[in-house]
Amino acid sequence: KQEVTQIPAALSVPEGENLVLNCSFTDSAIYNLQWFRQDPGKGLTSLLLIQSSQREQTSGRLNASLDKSSGRSTLYIAASQPGDSATYLCAVRSHNTDKLIFGTGTRLQVFP
Amino acid sequence: DAMVIQNPRYQVTQFGKPVTLSCSQTLNHNVMYWYQQKSSQAPKLLFHYYDKDFNNEADTPDNFQSRRPNTSFCFLDIRSPGLGDAAMYLCATSRGGGKSTDTQYFGPGTRLTVL
Repeated sequence: KQEVTQIPAALSVPEGENLVLNCSFTDSAIYNLQWFRQDPGKGLTSLLLIQSSQREQTSGRLNASLDKSSGRSTLYIAASQPGDSATYLCAVRSHNTDKLIFGTGTRLQVFP
Repeated sequence: DAMVIQNPRYQVTQFGKPVTLSCSQTLNHNVMYWYQQKSSQAPKLLFHYYDKDFNNEADTPDNFQSRRPNTSFCFLDIRSPGLGDAAMYLCATSRGGGKSTDTQYFGPGTRLTVL
């Protein structure tokens, strides 16, 4: 059974710092891994999707890496801003399924 | 521009009073999902439809039902809401079909309060 873990659960940093959010999963037989952002009381916004054959994806100040063999992904946020404050969720789609398994998220606060 | 629409955004119901949440999509996606998300927890998949094929999660209570009358719409029915059913309910869609590029698109959610 696929399990997804995110560390740390919460993170508070000053504006401008580069930071790394971690995601680990137990079953490496995956189609893809997605990183989502969730603002308080809102739905989920997809940030990046990494296919199982890829090692990283970039979008603006965000870079996500995938090491499928070790069951790990990281989300790197460069030059953090207060507007980045949100909960970041990673989710894994295993083989032969249309379902996503989510981690519990990292709650990020960036203060001015 | 909205691709996955959920109505209402906020729903208040009384203990035991049936409630229906609505989701619609403009993406013409094959798959529609319903998730329950409680405070500070990960979204939990309740069930999903691949076209008209209904797929229930093993641990989804019988109190939760779903209908998909056509490609665009999907409903979540809670027959007798309990206090423990208060949560954010998220609808999502995807193309389906096993492609590794397949992304799930989420609606804004419905916040359910049970009094």
